[in-house]
Amino acid sequence: QVQLQQSGAELAKPGSSVKISCKASGYTFTSYDISWIKQTTGQGLEYIGYINTGSGGTYYNEKFKGKATLTVDKSSSTAFMQLSSLTPEDTAVYYCARDGGWFAYWGQGTLVTVSS
Amino acid sequence: IQMTQSPSLLSASVGDRVTLSCKAGQNINNYLAWYQQKLGEAPKLLIYNANSLQTGIPSRFSGSGSGTDYTLTISSLQPEDVATYFCQQYNSWWTFGGGTKLELK
Repeated sequence: QVQLQQSGAELAKPGSSVKISCKASGYTFTSYDISWIKQTTGQGLEYIGYINTGSGGTYYNEKFKGKATLTVDKSSSTAFMQLSSLTPEDTAVYYCARDGGWFAYWGQGTLVTVSS
Repeated sequence: IQMTQSPSLLSASVGDRVTLSCKAGQNINNYLAWYQQKLGEAPKLLIYNANSLQTGIPSRFSGSGSGTDYTLTISSLQPEDVATYFCQQYNSWWTFGGGTKLELK
């Protein structure tokens, strides 16, 4: 069955970076894009961007350009999202999800807490 | 495209017919999905293309609408339906509504 397994919670200091992983299984990794979505209590769900897992091509929501960098390792069927120059406003649960229009499969979420 | 859900909080009794609304800022051509999210869990897809039921989802859930106005209906509310519900458009990139929290009366 399709599974997206994300890396564990992160505690980071302001100004630092974190890299979250999303390991896919149960399907051909390069057949589907991987999207990333941010969830906070105040802002709800926000779409960050997606990566074409075959070509490595990316699209970013304008709001997250310069904040998020999406990469992929086809050899391990894993997608990554690096968040840079962290501020308290980056504190959120981050999800990876599969499929390009609607999202039928989601990772379990990774909590990123930014605090000094 | 801005997505507006109403109400933000809904209280209903077991067995009630429940209707949740989602309004898009412009025509989204039925490119709309509905999700259920329980506390501490990832969102779960219920409906896609405005009215197509995702595999494995109970038939008490249904979606309808067109243009800018869409509705998620639960025909007979069950205790396990307590959750927050989100709509999402994918007509032009991707945006989510703010959610409706459904609780038992």
